Amino acid sequence: DAKTTQPPSMDCAEGRAANLPCNHSTISGNEYVYWYRQIHSQGPQYIIHGLKNNETNEMASLIITEDRKSSTLILPHATLRDTAVYYCIVYNSGGSNYKLTFGKGTLLTVNP
Amino acid sequence: DADVTQTPRNRITKTGKRIMLECSQTKGHDRMYWYRQDPGLGLRLIYYSFDVKDINKGEISDGYSVSRQAQAKFSLSLESAIPNQTALYFCATSDVADKETQYFGPGTRLLVL
Repeated sequence: DAKTTQPPSMDCAEGRAANLPCNHSTISGNEYVYWYRQIHSQGPQYIIHGLKNNETNEMASLIITEDRKSSTLILPHATLRDTAVYYCIVYNSGGSNYKLTFGKGTLLTVNP
Repeated sequence: DADVTQTPRNRITKTGKRIMLECSQTKGHDRMYWYRQDPGLGLRLIYYSFDVKDINKGEISDGYSVSRQAQAKFSLSLESAIPNQTALYFCATSDVADKETQYFGPGTRLLVL
């Protein structure tokens, strides 16, 4: 019952921007888009979330298309420590859907 | 995230033994969760608690029990461990005021022989 589609893997050169796409064509109006990452079996780490406007924080930027059917997570200057599995999740934080559904995510490998 | 701690970080036990995994948080969040992660299966919810007096089963609660001793503490017990409970276990917290963003602990790696 995955609600998102992500490429299984991507590569990025160190210092360059990493752009990770996510398709969520069935997203409903009250669902947020969340991004988490997991570095080699560590606890998943929250990155950013948004509803319909683009968002930016100290870690990343989130670009959501106007129709909300897809989004892109941008790491502006990727480092080797950004190598991780990145999960895009749609989540209604105001409803009873307390459970984050982690799909397979995208394995981002940042190369020297 | 140092605000959510789990003990032990690694544990080896034998089939039939009862064990407890502990989670503590200093974030002041009301809501706490226990997940397990198996290779290729993502994270699955075991139990969750929205406050000290509230306990709810998740999708895979059989063989597990929990205790919410205080707002900051949420323990997971395996009543009689079996080998297919070998997994990576994560505790998480969230708060309504923070749009329910979940913050995860570092995980406990459990091996049941």
